[in-house]
Amino acid sequence: DTAVSQTPKYLVTQMGNDKSIKCEQNLGHDTMYWYKQDSKKFLKIMFSYNNKELIINETVPNRFSPKSPDKAHLNLHINSLELGDSAVYFCASSQDGIYGYTFGSGTRLTVV
Amino acid sequence: AQSVTQLGSHVSVSEGALVLLRCNYSSSVPPYLFWYVQYPNQGLQLLLKYTSAATLVKGINGFEAEFKKSETSFHLTKPSAHMSDAAEYFCAVSGSYIPTFGRGTSLIVHP
Repeated sequence: DTAVSQTPKYLVTQMGNDKSIKCEQNLGHDTMYWYKQDSKKFLKIMFSYNNKELIINETVPNRFSPKSPDKAHLNLHINSLELGDSAVYFCASSQDGIYGYTFGSGTRLTVV
Repeated sequence: AQSVTQLGSHVSVSEGALVLLRCNYSSSVPPYLFWYVQYPNQGLQLLLKYTSAATLVKGINGFEAEFKKSETSFHLTKPSAHMSDAAEYFCAVSGSYIPTFGRGTSLIVHP
C-alpha cells in the first residue's frame, strides 16, 4: 500500500485551463502539505492543513486553491494555468512534524 | 524563523570515497533536523532525523549525520560512496509543523 499517493503522475495541459491534483495518505497523519519543486529542485511550501483546517498559506497566487474533505485527503485545484506553473508538485504528510514527513511521488505539471 | 543552508549545489566523489554533504541551519527554537534523498523522478525519502536524542544519528543506506549545536551544523556523511548513492540530497529544519528545506546538493559518484 502506498503511504502517500498522488494522481496524476504527469499532467500536460494548455495555458488557461483548470486542473486538479489529488492526494491521499493512509498513515493516519493529522497534517498534510503541498510543495512546489521548480526546475532547480528548490522546494517551496504552498499550503498545510491540520485536521482539515488550513494552517499555512504561503504567498501563492489565489489561482491555487487547496481542499481537504477529510484529514486523509488534500487536493490542489489550479485555475487559469500559466506557463510559470510548470513544476513538480509534491504532497506530504506528517503526524506532528517531529518524526519526519512522508512524501508522495510527485505530479509533474507541464503547461504549454 | 528558521532557515537551512546547504554548501555546494554539487558534490562529486569517486566510488568508495568518503561522502560529506554540508548543512547549516538557523532556528529560533530547538530544531528538529532531517536529511532527505531524492532519486530521479521520485519523491523525497527520509534518510535520517535528529530529534534531540543522540547527536550522532544513523540513517538508512549507511549514512549518518552529527548535530553540532555550537556550529549550527548537521552534516551528512557516508564512509564509502556507492554508485547508487547518486541523487539529490536535501537538509531540512523544523521547529514546528512546517519544515524548511535547503536548496539541495546533487551527489555525483564517479566509477
